[in-house]
Amino acid sequence: RKEVEQDPGPFNVPEGATVAFNCTYSNSASQSFFWYRQDCRKEPKLLMSVYSSGNEDGRFTAQLNRASQYISLLIRDSKLSDSATYLCVVTRTGGSYIPTFGRGTSLIVHP
Amino acid sequence: AAGVIQSPRHLIKEKRETATLKCYRIPRHDTVYWYQQGPGQDPQFLISFYEKMQSDKGSIPDRFSAQQFSDYHSELNMSSLELGDSALYFCASSHRQGAISPLHFGNGTRLTVT
Repeated sequence: RKEVEQDPGPFNVPEGATVAFNCTYSNSASQSFFWYRQDCRKEPKLLMSVYSSGNEDGRFTAQLNRASQYISLLIRDSKLSDSATYLCVVTRTGGSYIPTFGRGTSLIVHP
Repeated sequence: AAGVIQSPRHLIKEKRETATLKCYRIPRHDTVYWYQQGPGQDPQFLISFYEKMQSDKGSIPDRFSAQQFSDYHSELNMSSLELGDSALYFCASSHRQGAISPLHFGNGTRLTVT
């Protein structure tokens, strides 16, 4: 079982829709959580960090559920430009500091 | 603000050749990571350096080695290249402050082995 798991999708949604992705992690010692966006053949770019209290940035909301060991990303009012792969990144601390990536969830927003 | 800079952007090599990938981290960061991303795959961790010392090692083949220099630059050296080494190679840097800060990625080197 992979340490960080995501539904690869693709999620195919119309413009304006609300879509949510989950990402589960297996190591309870994980302490830092991030969502990245990756466009085809480009580098991953930080979308947002995920804090225990949850956080929002415009149309994007991230949540952390430590008890169930998952993080989520909610995108409201989807735009065509949101089409990309969304990567979940989890880092343990203490001993090793290896940010581990999920496989990514593909989002396709259509007109 | 300056980001992570990688070179070259594209590299074509033949089997059994060697390749050197370079990366300049963001100066205020203290940790550098190298990742390999094959087609349709998630980035796989290869190796990391905290300041100039090797910190963690992932799925890096023995044919690969990496160095961190004092002028913020890092190199990934790859020898006896195989067709399966064809991938995107990313360098990323961050700052450790108890909990790790986000990774900032360079725009990658696309290596093609023929």
